[in-house]
Amino acid sequence: NAGVTQTPKFRVLKTGQSMTLLCAQDMNHEYMYWYRQDPGMGLRLIHYSVGEGTTAKGEVPDGYNVSRLKKQNFLLGLESAAPSQTSVYFCASSYELAARTDTQYFGPGTRLTVL
Amino acid sequence: EDKVVQSPLSLVVHEGDTVTLNCSYEVTNFRSLLWYKQEKKAPTFLFMLTSSGIEKKSGRLSSILDKKELSSILNITATQTGDSAIYLCAVHGSGNTGKLIFGQGTTLQVKP
Repeated sequence: NAGVTQTPKFRVLKTGQSMTLLCAQDMNHEYMYWYRQDPGMGLRLIHYSVGEGTTAKGEVPDGYNVSRLKKQNFLLGLESAAPSQTSVYFCASSYELAARTDTQYFGPGTRLTVL
Repeated sequence: EDKVVQSPLSLVVHEGDTVTLNCSYEVTNFRSLLWYKQEKKAPTFLFMLTSSGIEKKSGRLSSILDKKELSSILNITATQTGDSAIYLCAVHGSGNTGKLIFGQGTTLQVKP
């Protein structure tokens, strides 16, 4: 099992450019999440999905869009990148919470710099 | 608004010291509290706590939840340089979305 993978690992964009970050998981998890991590701020939830074809906003959704066309993939898009979106982006996935024994499994992260 | 606060934000100790990291929370319909360790890359899971007063242990690390005080502590005994990392506390709040609310993290540096 590869677990949770993210591509790309690094990216530099100019202001106004667009890009898509791909997250893939091979654990058959229902739930997937996108976070951003900035110094001194922990992880903040951008968007999440509780199943194929569904998405919802998290804590800091502005400037981002997501899609979950296949259960194993969760895409994060930046339509017009801004320097404030310079960050490290983590994807995570988890089983459903029915048993309350859940934890989230994280990908290795994507370091994005917007100039 | 749901909130998780960790203290201290950073800590420098020497090998062999014992450290205690704190996490306090205010969330609607608490479900569980999780501790993660983050070295250079992705956070890795340490503990999940759902019941008050039951200590979870893994080697030199242990953690306990106090639902009355809305807090948790993470203890590391006989610290080693490999314990240097950011320690993240997160809480599952209301709803069945699986959303975690993270604290700011505590950066621990263990000097030889």
